Amino acid sequence: DAGVTQSPTHLIKTRGQHVTLRCSPISGHKSVSWYQQVLGQGPQFIFQYYEKEERGRGNFPDRFSARQFPNYSSELNVNALLLGDSALYLCASSLGQGGFYEQYFGPGTRLTVT
Amino acid sequence: AQSVTQPDIHITVSEGASLELRCNYSYGATPYLFWYVQSPGQGLQLLLKYFSGDTLVQGIKGFEAEFKRSQSSFNLRKPSVHWSDAAEYFCAVGARAGGTSYGKLTFGQGTILTVHP
Repeated sequence: DAGVTQSPTHLIKTRGQHVTLRCSPISGHKSVSWYQQVLGQGPQFIFQYYEKEERGRGNFPDRFSARQFPNYSSELNVNALLLGDSALYLCASSLGQGGFYEQYFGPGTRLTVT
Repeated sequence: AQSVTQPDIHITVSEGASLELRCNYSYGATPYLFWYVQSPGQGLQLLLKYFSGDTLVQGIKGFEAEFKRSQSSFNLRKPSVHWSDAAEYFCAVGARAGGTSYGKLTFGQGTILTVHP
């Protein structure tokens, strides 16, 4: 079975631009979570979506938004990019909502903001 | 609020030596606990998890971890390290309760493991 896939793999943007990152969960998984991993740090939780609804939000500004589609894939959008948004963005999928369900991570999208 | 501390930023061991990576957590009740491994430029792979029951849990690749409630710790161990174990290791805590934290994983800063031949 295919694992979690993310696109694109790498991305370079300029300050002030907008970016959209995409994630396809493991087949049968209904929950998608997004994490930001800045170099040298552990991943930080951004959002969790379950059954197309936002179920959890981390401490990120409103420039960050996401949505989940009927096929359970997800997009993460970041507006008005800042240099500090440069990071590895990880998507994780799980069967259900909640900490009991294992989260399976994709390879990530490396975003560089110049 | 939940938090995780990994006191060791970088650990170096010789191949064949034993390994222990430390993890301390802060959470109001018994949390869900996880260890993940990340190779350079890769996503995270789950090594093992603790939900309840036996406090010594076995994982993949010969790793094990022990949950100690009294010490709020969940240390990762391996009896004999292989060169392929060189990577970054993350301890994480997951919330049991509902609310906006439900399903959220809180990660430590990670421990980089270097293995000498």
